[in-house]
Amino acid sequence: DAMVIQNPRYQVTQFGKPVTLSCSQTLNHNVMYWYQQKSSQAPKLLFHYYDKDFNNEADTPDNFQSRRPNTSFCFLDIRSPGLGDAAMYLCATSRDAPLGYTFGSGTRLTVV
Amino acid sequence: QQQVKQSPQSLIVQKGGISIINCAYENTAFDYFPWYQQFPGKGPALLIAIRPDVSEKKEGRFTISFNKSAKQFSLHIMDSQPGDSATYFCAVLLSCPVAFGSGTQLTVLP
Repeated sequence: DAMVIQNPRYQVTQFGKPVTLSCSQTLNHNVMYWYQQKSSQAPKLLFHYYDKDFNNEADTPDNFQSRRPNTSFCFLDIRSPGLGDAAMYLCATSRDAPLGYTFGSGTRLTVV
Repeated sequence: QQQVKQSPQSLIVQKGGISIINCAYENTAFDYFPWYQQFPGKGPALLIAIRPDVSEKKEGRFTISFNKSAKQFSLHIMDSQPGDSATYFCAVLLSCPVAFGSGTQLTVLP
């Protein structure tokens, strides 16, 4: 089945230790998004790629970066995780306009 | 700046009852109004969506009512079931990407 896969499902990292979360998709969608979702809150957009064009939200901390080496894969890098970065990180994809967002199951990040 | 306001924050309904969640928006240029359902530990999933040129869309037990003049839209879940217990997010879209409401945690009691 075509889908959006996030690895790992759970990630524990130490305070200040760089961590990378990954997302892959078999939908051949040209747009990929990274959202941060904290407990009982709505998903908050961090950035998205429209094809190879990177779009950063104005309030996304510099601590967060992303890479998209090809259509299928997208990575979220957190350079120096703080306790406040503990959250669920959601990857989503769409073809052009996000009328049909498809979300992955997310990676729950714990910072210790 | 919150682009869409959602209420209530939480909702408890008896099995078989009707669940109603409301959203209000300001920007009249929005042209797509989806609702997402999220179960614990899962990503949101598109439940139903409406364009502003129609006032109502029904899919099974789920109905969106859209009031363009009031800039409001709502999700109605008929015959609510315990399996509907989840968090529901309304959203609005003009271009890319989607802006989400704050979410409603629905609990359907057996």
